[in-house]
Amino acid sequence: QQQVKQSPQSLIVQKGGISIINCAYENTAFDYFPWYQQFPGKGPALLIAIRPDVSEKKEGRFTISFNKSAKQFSLHIMDSQPGDSATYFCAAGGTSYGKLTFGQGTILTVHP
Amino acid sequence: GAVVSQHPSWVICKSGTSVKIECRSLDFQATTMFWYRQFPKQSLMLMATSNEGSKATYEQGVEKDKFLINHASLTLSTLTVTSAHPEDSSFYICSVHKRNYGYTFGSGTRLTVV
Repeated sequence: QQQVKQSPQSLIVQKGGISIINCAYENTAFDYFPWYQQFPGKGPALLIAIRPDVSEKKEGRFTISFNKSAKQFSLHIMDSQPGDSATYFCAAGGTSYGKLTFGQGTILTVHP
Repeated sequence: GAVVSQHPSWVICKSGTSVKIECRSLDFQATTMFWYRQFPKQSLMLMATSNEGSKATYEQGVEKDKFLINHASLTLSTLTVTSAHPEDSSFYICSVHKRNYGYTFGSGTRLTVV
């Protein structure tokens, strides 16, 4: 029940395209769903996060879509840029859960 | 969000020695800090939850006598890898949780045991 499953493992997108990464969770106690971006040799940096009371949240080129009934959420990166090339992690946690559980990660490569 | 400082960024040590990694919360008092380990091309795995003034809570499979955690103040948690061996070589990352801001991660420490 603690798992968060992330797909795809890797993704190649052309500059200007849309990158889509999906995650699924099992524990219905989760109430906080962040996405992190990590560059090699660096710690993860928070991109955007959502709580289950909304179905979508947008910040700039990044959008989270959340489907509570399916226990799935996804990250959409619009107008993908080469600088977006990094590893992306979804995670799940919550105020009552107290810690984050991470997905397996997606290596995104954006070709110029 | 929160401001987290982790030190050192990288460290090389000889097999059998101990290494201490520091994690500081610079802009608020963190009663709880988290320690993660990340192997190359893998996800972050939670090792333990560090609680100020009390014993850390370790995840299943993590040796508490090997990975000593001390959270002596509201702004500092330390992770000591004791009697390090090459298989302990990894990227260690700390994190703090700040209400309304979520979880913020340190920049990580690359440990290489030779």
